[in-house]
Amino acid sequence: SQQGEEDPQALSIQEGENATMNCSYKTSINNLQWYRQNSGRGLVHLILIRSNEREKHSGRLRVTLDTSKKSSSLLITASRAADTASYFCATDTGGFKTIFGAGTRLFVKA
Amino acid sequence: EPEVTQTPSHQVTQMGQEVILRCVPISNHLYFYWYRQILGQKVEFLVSFYNNEISEKSEIFDDQFSVERPDGSNFTLKIRSTKLEDSAMYFCASSGTHSNEQYFGPGTRLTVT
Repeated sequence: SQQGEEDPQALSIQEGENATMNCSYKTSINNLQWYRQNSGRGLVHLILIRSNEREKHSGRLRVTLDTSKKSSSLLITASRAADTASYFCATDTGGFKTIFGAGTRLFVKA
Repeated sequence: EPEVTQTPSHQVTQMGQEVILRCVPISNHLYFYWYRQILGQKVEFLVSFYNNEISEKSEIFDDQFSVERPDGSNFTLKIRSTKLEDSAMYFCASSGTHSNEQYFGPGTRLTVT
């Protein structure tokens, strides 16, 4: 598998439900970031979590990091139709290179 | 709120032609990046740039690619002789410090015909 792989590849939920997306990676990291991309648009930075952190919150977003399992999860609570987008994790291994995963396409039905 | 800008938003070029994609990073940022995203695929790292030199580049960033910071504000990606497979969205990003969040521009859609 590649550095930074998300699952599921696609997720469809009802408005108001929670959405959980997972990311796994292979090598040690300095930090892991989550980004959102609306169709055909640029990437919007959501949260950065450093390797010595286990959990981080920002509004309706909650990110966890388990370095022993080399995995991270992004939880969006009380989802809205406007949350419909692709979500990517990106890992920074300490060099000057950020590796993106293939992303999870989230569809929130109103 | 400061933002990264990119021009043009869409560039159509013929195979073999040279293109220059332009980016204006956030003004006090020191680290600059180019990524590309082929339609429907993931974002791929191309190159990072700091202190007027390339910090790291990927296997994609071969001799047909070059980057430059010609003045204090612009950051450019040049593709010398475009190929059909260079068709993609190209994103510029900048960050204030190493290992901090990167701010992305809206992208340039490059279409090579």
